[in-house]
Amino acid sequence: AQSVTQLGSHVSVSEGALVLLRCNYSSSVPPYLFWYVQYPNQGLQLLLKYTSAATLVKGINGFEAEFKKSETSFHLTKPSAHMSDAAEYFCAVSEGAAGNKLTFGGGTRVLVKP
Amino acid sequence: NAGVTQTPKFQVLKTGQSMTLQCAQDMNHEYMSWYRQDPGMGLRLIHYSVGAGITDQGEVPNGYNVSRSTTEDFPLRLLSAAPSQTSVYFCASSQGGPPSGANVLTFGAGSRLTVL
Repeated sequence: AQSVTQLGSHVSVSEGALVLLRCNYSSSVPPYLFWYVQYPNQGLQLLLKYTSAATLVKGINGFEAEFKKSETSFHLTKPSAHMSDAAEYFCAVSEGAAGNKLTFGGGTRVLVKP
Repeated sequence: NAGVTQTPKFQVLKTGQSMTLQCAQDMNHEYMSWYRQDPGMGLRLIHYSVGAGITDQGEVPNGYNVSRSTTEDFPLRLLSAAPSQTSVYFCASSQGGPPSGANVLTFGAGSRLTVL
């Protein structure tokens, strides 16, 4: 069975500073990895996904993530935080190409300070 | 396109009461699922369905029932509500099959349930 660990349940960054959210996974099959974002009082929406085509994945709103197999990591970054990035971010892993389930990490809430 | 629609948005129940959370999607997605969201625990899969007439259990199925009589609808039933079921519930569907490979989940806005 797969699992996801997000280091840090809360992260505080200053506007304009680097955003780094950490995600480590375990999977018995080649993983498919996702980052989702949840804005206040809304459902989740996809930021980006890794499907083995490229290890550096670019998503919406200037976010990107790098898949590192040797470290079993899929960390999310954004060079310069904006006030609108305040949200909760979830890393998720699926059971390979034929899996039926998506497993989520515990989430990281990002606070952006002016 | 309405996407995934959940009703009600808010509900308060007493212990032992029953209720159904409704979920409907108009995107002709075969795969539908229910998650619950609790602080610090992320989203946990309750039940899922890969098509009409087919359902299966997720990580935390106890206390919940589902059925899938049509492609569009996937209701979640609480037969005898307990305080431990206080949570935010999300319905999600996926185009092209289960949320693996290139398939992405589309989420509803959520239903906040409080059990007293």
